[in-house]
Amino acid sequence: ELKVEQNPLFLSMQEGKNYTIYCNYSTTSDRLYWYRQDPGKSLESLFVLLSNGAVKQEGRLMASLDTKARLSTLHITAAVHDLSATYFCAESGSNSGYALNFGKGTSLLVTP
Amino acid sequence: GAVVSQHPSRVICKSGTSVKIECRSLDFQATTMFWYRQFPKQSLMLMATSNEGSKATYEQGVEKDKFLINHASLTLSTLTVTSAHPEDSSFYICSASRGLAGLSYEQYFGPGTRLTVT
Repeated sequence: ELKVEQNPLFLSMQEGKNYTIYCNYSTTSDRLYWYRQDPGKSLESLFVLLSNGAVKQEGRLMASLDTKARLSTLHITAAVHDLSATYFCAESGSNSGYALNFGKGTSLLVTP
Repeated sequence: GAVVSQHPSRVICKSGTSVKIECRSLDFQATTMFWYRQFPKQSLMLMATSNEGSKATYEQGVEKDKFLINHASLTLSTLTVTSAHPEDSSFYICSASRGLAGLSYEQYFGPGTRLTVT
């Protein structure tokens, strides 16, 4: 049973463009996390969304959470090359001790 | 604050040997620590949840006799891969949570340990 589904899994976009990554989850968790991972590195926390309607922004990234639709989005505005990385969403609450269930990740490549 | 370290960062071992990976919370007490495994170009998969002073809870399909987890103090958890085989080669990442599970939503990830079994 797939608990967290991300799409797209691969995304190539030009600098300056906007795009949205979607994260659907199948549990009743109201905690949703977004992480960034660079090649060969561990995870960098981007956002923690704790309630329905939560919206957080940091630089060119904005994340939102709709717990009724069980959907979170990560919106990229005016992409730059430095945003190239893999982005994971994760939910907690369905595992023991509130461990995280991760999506498969979205591999983002921003090209000139 | 909230720094988690792992040691070693990279290890190569021969098939049949055992390897111990340490996960430390440097500036906070971590009642709960988690161990994840990530194969190349795949997502993170939870292996086990470790609570200080008690036995770890393993996920389905993870052999508890092969992956020994010890959480002897509030700042240290160890993962020992026993009788390692090439298929155990992976990126092992720990995370730590402050306070009691469920009462703290933030998890802090270590830098990971890349294990290669030859």
